[in-house]
Amino acid sequence: GAVVSQHPSRVICKSGTSVKIECRSLDFQATTMFWYRQFPKQSLMLMATSNEGSKATYEQGVEKDKFLINHASLTLSTLTVTSAHPEDSSFYICSARPDSNSPLHFGNGTRLTVT
Amino acid sequence: AQSVTQPDIHITVSEGASLELRCNYSYGATPYLFWYVQSPGQGLQLLLKYFSGDTLVQGIKGFEAEFKRSQSSFNLRKPSVHWSDAAEYFCAVGVDTGFQKLVFGTGTRLLVSP
Repeated sequence: GAVVSQHPSRVICKSGTSVKIECRSLDFQATTMFWYRQFPKQSLMLMATSNEGSKATYEQGVEKDKFLINHASLTLSTLTVTSAHPEDSSFYICSARPDSNSPLHFGNGTRLTVT
Repeated sequence: AQSVTQPDIHITVSEGASLELRCNYSYGATPYLFWYVQSPGQGLQLLLKYFSGDTLVQGIKGFEAEFKRSQSSFNLRKPSVHWSDAAEYFCAVGVDTGFQKLVFGTGTRLLVSP
């Protein structure tokens, strides 16, 4: 089945630094990938839609300059949390699907802790 | 606006007992509905989905769900719970025509007692 891989699974960084999270579709190509954020004991909230070869589409309330998204190839999207602060600490999950008839498949997520 | 409600934050079930997790949605058009399961620190795994047709859908791991339009519900069931089923369960509705954008419920944590 379709596999979405995320890296790293955990990252700890200091305030003010930037962190890059990778999302790869391992056995299919994805022109679109989705980034979600999950706060502790809460549900997933869609942050942005990553589009291969064009700008990402951000959901209302999500800072574009804070969460930089790049979708440089059909199998890779990256999310960079810039100038991270403790309130950015969260669980970030990406998703993608092989075709329009398939449901979304999710990566295993990245636990970001900003100290 | 589209929304998904999972009224039970926690549910505890004895191993071997039956399970039903509730999900209600609010969506103007024909809904695309999903149930995902998340183990601690992990991503989400799709259990089953409803797009159209038979309102009782079968999924993986012995789970099933029934779509009831009149009640705007999509409850998840399993006849006999195993200890390995302990996890967080999320109901979601696809809110665009390609059902790529999902709106999730707040989740139900399932605890399985011996």
